[in-house]
Amino acid sequence: DAGVIQSPRHEVTEMGQEVTLRCKPISGHNSLFWYRQTMMRGLELLIYFNNNVPIDDSGMPEDRFSAKMPNASFSTLKIQPSEPRDSAVYFCASSSQVGQPQHFGDGTRLSIL
Amino acid sequence: QQQVKQSPQSLIVQKGGISIINCAYENTAFDYFPWYQQFPGKGPALLIAIRPDVSEKKEGRFTISFNKSAKQFSLHIMDSQPGDSATYFCAASEEGSARQLTFGSGTQLTVLP
Repeated sequence: DAGVIQSPRHEVTEMGQEVTLRCKPISGHNSLFWYRQTMMRGLELLIYFNNNVPIDDSGMPEDRFSAKMPNASFSTLKIQPSEPRDSAVYFCASSSQVGQPQHFGDGTRLSIL
Repeated sequence: QQQVKQSPQSLIVQKGGISIINCAYENTAFDYFPWYQQFPGKGPALLIAIRPDVSEKKEGRFTISFNKSAKQFSLHIMDSQPGDSATYFCAASEEGSARQLTFGSGTQLTVLP
């Protein structure tokens, strides 16, 4: 079974550039989560979608961050403009419904120079 | 405010030994407590989970012990193996929050051969 698929796996870009991270949830899952992982702050929930609708984006750090889910099989997390402090591993996770276990992708390691 | 406190930060155990990781929470509304295992370069994967209506749950070599009155729960890995070397995260969620997970800070476990 295909799990949660994230792309790219690694992204290195210069400060000020736009960065777009992509996620394909597990087919049939209707809840999608974006997390950020850093050594200092651990795993932080950024935003959560249910049935393609953003439910809680209180974890999004700044207006530079935005997320969309145009359909049930695709989501993006965009950072514009990017800053060095955005460097982290970004994970996408999905679950079959609210309350069910979350399945994580392998993440995108983002480095902003 | 960190709602789930995890200790120790790192743990070294001999092969065959018992690994114990502890977590404490503050929010009494939490009613679901999963543990995730993460290998380098991979996303967290659900290992085992417990609800507060039981004090212990065992799956193979992995056991969760739960103390509701003390607001603490722990992961015990019996007969630890080098393949168990990974980072372990405890987490908690409450029904009213659409099951958003609050993660502990993680424990890096090393099992020596």
